[in-house]
Amino acid sequence: DGGITQSPKYLFRKEGQNVTLSCEQNLNHDAMYWYRQDPGQGLRLIYYSQIVNDFQKGDIAEGYSVSREKKESFPLTVTSAQKNPTAFYLCASTTDRARPDFNTEAFFGQGTRLTVV
Amino acid sequence: AQSVTQPDIHITVSEGASLELRCNYSYGATPYLFWYVQSPGQGLQLLLKYFSGDTLVQGIKGFEAEFKRSQSSFNLRKPSVHWSDAAEYFCAVGPVTGNQFYFGTGTSLTVIP
Repeated sequence: DGGITQSPKYLFRKEGQNVTLSCEQNLNHDAMYWYRQDPGQGLRLIYYSQIVNDFQKGDIAEGYSVSREKKESFPLTVTSAQKNPTAFYLCASTTDRARPDFNTEAFFGQGTRLTVV
Repeated sequence: AQSVTQPDIHITVSEGASLELRCNYSYGATPYLFWYVQSPGQGLQLLLKYFSGDTLVQGIKGFEAEFKRSQSSFNLRKPSVHWSDAAEYFCAVGPVTGNQFYFGTGTSLTVIP
């Protein structure tokens, strides 16, 4: 079955440590996204990528980094510069609007809960 | 600028009662509009979407939504709520410039037996 896989489901980070969240999709989607979710704040965009080897900052990119070396993969690194990383992180993907099979909606992974210990 | 507003942070309804969740958007062109549902600790699941045609759209789990251009609204409705509908609901618009999506802050639904 096609879908988006995020791993791990739970992740614990020590102070000053970098951690990487994995996001893989086998939907042949072009665009991929990372969102952060905190209670009462909805989804806030961290980074997004429309094509391989290209990505743009979202609203809250500080303290995060990403790469897009393969179409299927969009890992997110939470660096030590992110002072309050405890949150639920969601990865999503979609086709490009220019494609004839453009399907409009974003598909989401099951999320990774990151906790600082 | 694009934005999505969900004015109700939390709603409580009795099982079997009707439900309406409000969503207002700000977007300069004809939008693509979505409703997603999220169970605790899970990702978002698409309930329904609108991008053209009939302004009343049907979704999964018995939900429907009506697009009203004059009111910039896309309210979600269900005639009879089930206990399993308790979840967080998000309205969204997109994809817009750069394939971005814009989400509301969500409405948390509690269902009383």
